[in-house]
Amino acid sequence: AQRVTQPEKLLSVFKGAPVELKCNYSYSGSPELFWYVQYSRQRLQLLLRHISRESIKGFTADLNKGETSFHLKKPFAQEEDSAMYYCALSGGSGGSNYKLTFGKGTLLTVNP
Amino acid sequence: NAGVTQTPKFQVLKTGQSMTLQCAQDMNHEYMSWYRQDPGMGLRLIHYSVGAGITDQGEVPNGYNVSRSTTEDFPLRLLSAAPSQTSVYFCASSYRLDQPQHFGDGTRLSIL
Repeated sequence: AQRVTQPEKLLSVFKGAPVELKCNYSYSGSPELFWYVQYSRQRLQLLLRHISRESIKGFTADLNKGETSFHLKKPFAQEEDSAMYYCALSGGSGGSNYKLTFGKGTLLTVNP
Repeated sequence: NAGVTQTPKFQVLKTGQSMTLQCAQDMNHEYMSWYRQDPGMGLRLIHYSVGAGITDQGEVPNGYNVSRSTTEDFPLRLLSAAPSQTSVYFCASSYRLDQPQHFGDGTRLSIL
């Protein structure tokens, strides 16, 4: 079974401080991993995916298969980064078994 | 380009009432899904569809029915609403499950 764990429900940092949102996964194959973000009263939207290996809004995430992690990092947090962040894993054995599993989310608050 | 459209945005029901949450997408996506979002529980998959005429259960399907008669529409039916179904419901779609999901704005549902 595939599982996504976000160990921190809440994370609070000061503006300008580094931020790391943790994501660990359990999956036997090669996963597709994503980070989604939900700003206050907005719809969920894709922040980044591991296959793109890009930086969005200053955030990066590296897939570490040895540690089965996909942590989201930003060197200098901004107040507008305050939001709910979800890590998600796409995988399965094909056909109707293919599923997208979300973690429980981490609420990031960036204080001035 | 509307993307994923959910209606209604808000709804209050009495226990035992039935209703249908509507979801439509105009991107010709094959994959569509319904999630519920509850505090501390993250996003949980209710039902999903990999194409017209094909649906399957997710993590929390009890109390909900779905159908997919067209590629565009994926309604979620509550046959007999219960207070435990009070939640925010999100519909999402994508070309394939390993592709980024496009989410609707959500429906806030309260069952009294």
